[in-house]
Amino acid sequence: KAGVTQTPRYLIKTRGQQVTLSCSPISGHRSVSWYQQTPGQGLQFLFEYFSETQRNKGNFPGRFSGRQFSNSRSEMNVSTLELGDSALYLCASSPSRVETQYFGPGTRLLVL
Amino acid sequence: GEDVEQSLFLSVREGDSSVINCTYTDSSSTYLYWYKQEPGAGLQLLTYIFSNMDMKQDQRLTVLLNKKDKHLSLRIADTQTGDSAIYFCAEKDNYGQNFVFGPGTRLSVLP
Repeated sequence: KAGVTQTPRYLIKTRGQQVTLSCSPISGHRSVSWYQQTPGQGLQFLFEYFSETQRNKGNFPGRFSGRQFSNSRSEMNVSTLELGDSALYLCASSPSRVETQYFGPGTRLLVL
Repeated sequence: GEDVEQSLFLSVREGDSSVINCTYTDSSSTYLYWYKQEPGAGLQLLTYIFSNMDMKQDQRLTVLLNKKDKHLSLRIADTQTGDSAIYFCAEKDNYGQNFVFGPGTRLSVLP
């Protein structure tokens, strides 16, 4: 089975712009979670989607949003980018709401 | 709230055993995990343990869980240079899908 894929792998944006990141989960996985990883804050949970519904949300401002499609692919969007949004954004998929998550390679976002 | 703590750095010599420690605060944690992250890569699930177990062994990896002290450790036997990476401890409770990660321990393996 192919693993979790994320596109693009690298992205450079400027302050005030918006960005959309994409995640394709492992085939058959219905749960997709997003995380932000920075050197200062470590790994922080953004949100989780299951069967196109947001099931859980971390403590991030409303500029961060996401969605999940009927084929379980997920996108996350960040509007009005700030310098502090520079990070590695990781997506993880699970078969359902079970105990294991499998991570993609991440999208590295740099905001200038 | 939930919190997971780890020491940030560990150096060992090639061939020695490495022990990476983790403490957590959420007593309702049902699953505890170890992930490995190599430079420029995502997280790779190494192993996980259910809270009703106290030990799990998988080839060179041994996980020990002391539920009373909320302490988790990962032992890597015969550590190799390819084991150099950041190791994350994580917990998940039975009520949500939210995983809580520790800050990561950077393991350096010296030749």
